[in-house]
Amino acid sequence: DIQMTQSPSSLSASVGDRVTITCRASQGIRNDLGWYQQKPGKAPKRLISAASTLQSGVPSRFSGSGSGTEFTLTISSLQPEDFATYYCLQHNSYPLTFGGGTKVEIK
Amino acid sequence: EVQLVESGGGLVQPGGSLRLSCAASGFTFSSYWMSWVRQAPGKGLEWVANIKPDGSEKNYVDSVKGRFTISRDNVKTSLYLQMSSLRAEDTAVYYCAKWVQLESTFDMWGQGTLVTVSS
Repeated sequence: DIQMTQSPSSLSASVGDRVTITCRASQGIRNDLGWYQQKPGKAPKRLISAASTLQSGVPSRFSGSGSGTEFTLTISSLQPEDFATYYCLQHNSYPLTFGGGTKVEIK
Repeated sequence: EVQLVESGGGLVQPGGSLRLSCAASGFTFSSYWMSWVRQAPGKGLEWVANIKPDGSEKNYVDSVKGRFTISRDNVKTSLYLQMSSLRAEDTAVYYCAKWVQLESTFDMWGQGTLVTVSS
């Protein structure tokens, strides 16, 4: 199985801050990676697919990059509605595996 | 309305069985891979299983192989997860999710149904 190591597991940030979250795959997965946002008590919501393709309706302050084994999700200017938990997901091979999540909290 | 609605969750004893359902509407259900994803209380997301549009291919995470069976009824536009030999560690909110192959993403999720395995 491909292990997805996400870091940090949590962070505190202020509105307007630039935030970067990293996912490392235990083996190369090309760009077969997506990012999802989850708020408490809600289902996840897709943000980015194919490592860097912003999904429809997602604000442009979100961006993704990377290929192979290292990937990043960047929020260029954190907004109040961005406080949530973020997960990466690899779909290169079965079983699909999520990163452990990064909880973004208000400083 | 475009939506996925799960049902069938509840309290079950260890070793017991439960069948989850996911009713789909507002899109051509028979054209999409569908998955079950679960989330234990206070924990992260775990992909459980998926099924091809025509039902001819199914994949599972190792921890549920031989105990869970994913299926679908394209006429009823519904997805199912038959769970047996349930364990405490299967306690979770179970989500159904629609996979869009062209975009390589889960573009729609249900609201989730809670399964609690406890005596």
